[in-house]
Amino acid sequence: QVQLVQSGAEVKKPGASVKVSCKASGQIFSNSGVTWVRQAPGQGLEWMGWSSTYNDKTNYSKRLQGRVFMTTETSTNTAYMELRNLRSDDTAVYYCAGVDDVVVKDTSNGVWFDPWGQGTLVTVSS
Amino acid sequence: SFELTQPPSVSVSPGQTARITCSGDALSKQSACWYQQKPGQAPVLVIHRDSERPSGIPERFSASSSGTIVTLSISGVQAEDEADYYCQSADNSGPYVLFGGGTKLTVL
Repeated sequence: QVQLVQSGAEVKKPGASVKVSCKASGQIFSNSGVTWVRQAPGQGLEWMGWSSTYNDKTNYSKRLQGRVFMTTETSTNTAYMELRNLRSDDTAVYYCAGVDDVVVKDTSNGVWFDPWGQGTLVTVSS
Repeated sequence: SFELTQPPSVSVSPGQTARITCSGDALSKQSACWYQQKPGQAPVLVIHRDSERPSGIPERFSASSSGTIVTLSISGVQAEDEADYYCQSADNSGPYVLFGGGTKLTVL
């Protein structure tokens, strides 16, 4: 079964950028996609966006558009999420998750995310 | 507006059936899925396409859909089912994805 392993915890100052990686144990990202979801302490899940290697498109949440950038290296089975101009309310656990090729090819059939990485804690503090 | 509403909490006794609802206008146009999240762990997909169960998920997890409401049911609830449960759907215009606020299931 494919597993996603994320990079370690980060501590950043306000205004800085952070880049989190997500490495797959198999070729899960080929002709499919990767999504990123974050969870602030004690809060619910917030979708950030996704990157599709099927059609080389990205979709970002309207709230984070302009600050978040997602890329995928299919040669190394690694996805990256960069968040710029960090603020204190960006403190959260950041998760990557796989997006099945069935989903990226036709979202009208439903959208779901599986498997998930273990999460990366990003703390933004001065 | 694109919102998904869940009850903050649901409590059941062991062996009973837990039902968690998720409501929103988008659900009449797009299917939903459900995730289980235990403390300190990543979410796990338990239902997709309104009612399909991924391999490895126990049969006691099921779901149904009617109009703008989807319902996750857990029959014969066990202590290990105590967790937060999130519904999720999408707006095809982006697509843009939204999660419900989550429901904490407590097994009494």
